[in-house]
Amino acid sequence: EAGVVQSPRYKIIEKKQPVAFWCNPISGHNTLYWYRQNLGQGPELLIRYENEEAVDDSQLPKDRFSAERLKGVDSTLKIQPAELGDSAVYLCASSLEAGEGNNEQFFGPGTRLTVL
Amino acid sequence: AQSVTQPDIHITVSEGASLELRCNYSYGATPYLFWYVQSPGQGLQLLLKYFSGDTLVQGIKGFEAEFKRSQSSFNLRKPSVHWSDAAEYFCAVGGYTGFQKLVFGTGTRLLVSP
Repeated sequence: EAGVVQSPRYKIIEKKQPVAFWCNPISGHNTLYWYRQNLGQGPELLIRYENEEAVDDSQLPKDRFSAERLKGVDSTLKIQPAELGDSAVYLCASSLEAGEGNNEQFFGPGTRLTVL
Repeated sequence: AQSVTQPDIHITVSEGASLELRCNYSYGATPYLFWYVQSPGQGLQLLLKYFSGDTLVQGIKGFEAEFKRSQSSFNLRKPSVHWSDAAEYFCAVGGYTGFQKLVFGTGTRLLVSP
């Protein structure tokens, strides 16, 4: 079974440029998460989707970040414009469904963003 | 709000020696607790989880962890470390919804010496 797929794996851009990350969750997983992991830190949740609905985006900096999950499958996270402080690893995860109990999150390998 | 503290930024252990990684959590009720491992260039992989019941939980790759409510701890242990265990280890706490809202610690990097 294929895991969570993310692309690109690495991205280097100049500040003020736009950037987008793509995530393909495990087939059949209704819940999708985007995390940001700063250097030397643990992942922090940015947004969680239940199917195509964003149900928790309280940590998403909405002035420059946006996300979408059309048709409740693949998802794209966008930053426009990027700032130096956005340099981090962006992780995507998916689970069968959110809710109480044993709904393990499976993580992708992440996209490492460097903003110059 | 829940929080997690991993007091050791990095630990070096000799191959074959035992390992214990510390994790302390803060949460107002019975927490859901997790340990993840992250190898370079890889996503996070779940090692084990505690939801309820037996406070000593077994995970993959020979790891185990013990939930101690009185100490607000969930330390990870392995009796004999292998070189392939070198990685970053993250403790995480979930609220009453389990996996739904994970808060991670800052991680402990494990180095394994020959």
